[in-house]
Amino acid sequence: AQTVTQSQPEMSVQEAETVTLSCTYDTSENNYYLFWYKQPPSRQMILVIRQEAYKQQNATENRFSVNFQKAAKSFSLKISDSQLGDTAMYFCAFMKEYSGYALNFGKGTSLLVTP
Amino acid sequence: EPEVTQTPSHQVTQMGQEVILRCVPISNHLYFYWYRQILGQKVEFLVSFYNNEISEKSEIFDDQFSVERPDGSNFTLKIRSTKLEDSAMYFCASSDLAGPYFGPGTRLTVT
Repeated sequence: AQTVTQSQPEMSVQEAETVTLSCTYDTSENNYYLFWYKQPPSRQMILVIRQEAYKQQNATENRFSVNFQKAAKSFSLKISDSQLGDTAMYFCAFMKEYSGYALNFGKGTSLLVTP
Repeated sequence: EPEVTQTPSHQVTQMGQEVILRCVPISNHLYFYWYRQILGQKVEFLVSFYNNEISEKSEIFDDQFSVERPDGSNFTLKIRSTKLEDSAMYFCASSDLAGPYFGPGTRLTVT
């Protein structure tokens, strides 16, 4: 079974600063997908970014980027120019192969962006 | 932009009753999922559905639960004889080659 570990239960960052959330995972699969989801107080789950394991290039979506280190089984999320609206729980998730399989989530990191 | 929708947003039911949670996945998606999140805990996988059958299910998804795609648009989760510990947020999700994308959730409260 795949496990996803987020070692930072809580983090805070000042507005306009950069913050990095860490995620490690354990798997014997060679082909898989990794995701970051944002959950604001509304509890909606919002897909932030995804990474295919076969791609060496790190995914980027506007202010959000990842540092994917396949050998180290590490998948961190960097948020640049943090905004108050980034305050949320962030969940890292693993999916083997693609589509139709379960997303395995980490326990989440609560991020607070302060003025 | 297409999105997953879920109804109702909040359901209160008495222990032992049956509930049906409804979802409308994104129209051209082929894979559908149900997840749940007990307050303060991580999101847990229940079941995935493809081509009108279950493709994977977790240990949580026991005989108490069932899923159905009754027509071309809806995807439902039925919980028979609800228990107090079924109180949670239930998320529907769907995917194509990206995602999965989640709906806003149904908050189920079992009293």
